[in-house]
Amino acid sequence: DAGVIQSPRHEVTEMGQEVTLRCKPISGHDYLFWYRQTMMRGLELLIYFNNNVPIDDSGMPEDRFSAKMPNASFSTLKIQPSEPRDSAVYFCASSLVGSGYGYTFGSGTRLTVV
Amino acid sequence: GNSVTQMEGPVTLSEEAFLTINCTYTATGYPSLFWYVQYPGEGLQLLLKATKADDKGSNKGFEATYRKETTSFHLEKGSVQVSDSAVYFCALLNFGNEKLTFGTGTRLTIIP
Repeated sequence: DAGVIQSPRHEVTEMGQEVTLRCKPISGHDYLFWYRQTMMRGLELLIYFNNNVPIDDSGMPEDRFSAKMPNASFSTLKIQPSEPRDSAVYFCASSLVGSGYGYTFGSGTRLTVV
Repeated sequence: GNSVTQMEGPVTLSEEAFLTINCTYTATGYPSLFWYVQYPGEGLQLLLKATKADDKGSNKGFEATYRKETTSFHLEKGSVQVSDSAVYFCALLNFGNEKLTFGTGTRLTIIP
């Protein structure tokens, strides 16, 4: 398996622009998680899905953030409009409930909003 | 609720030194415990895990033992290498709840 695949690896955008981050989880995994990592705040869980259904989005910082999972093999995290304080590394992770192996993380998307 | 407390970093050691990174937890029931490692510019990777009391997880020379009596899961390595420089996260997972609880991470730097 190729693991969890995120795209793009790096994104630089101007303030006010829409940004879409993409994630392909491991085939067969039934949970998908979106995290944000910054030096100041560490690792933050934004939202997670079970069988494509959002379970907990309490970590989404503002209405500017939205996430979808239209099918088992694809999820997006969208920021509209983007702001400089959104600059961070965004990670996607997937897991299979009951496997006991925890999460498999993607390599992340480094977002810079200028 | 669940929580994980990790040793404050950063930690700097010389090559071949002995490493301990402390981790304690609070949880209901019998959680599974994990150590994840994050190398520079990469995502988190599972380093080792333990699923029940007295289990010892091990990988790449690292070890951690699930101690229910002290609610701890300390990470140890007998002789660290420069390539071990990374951020280490302790985490727990309760059965029936797929949401991992992470510690704040400990940055480890090994100097030659």
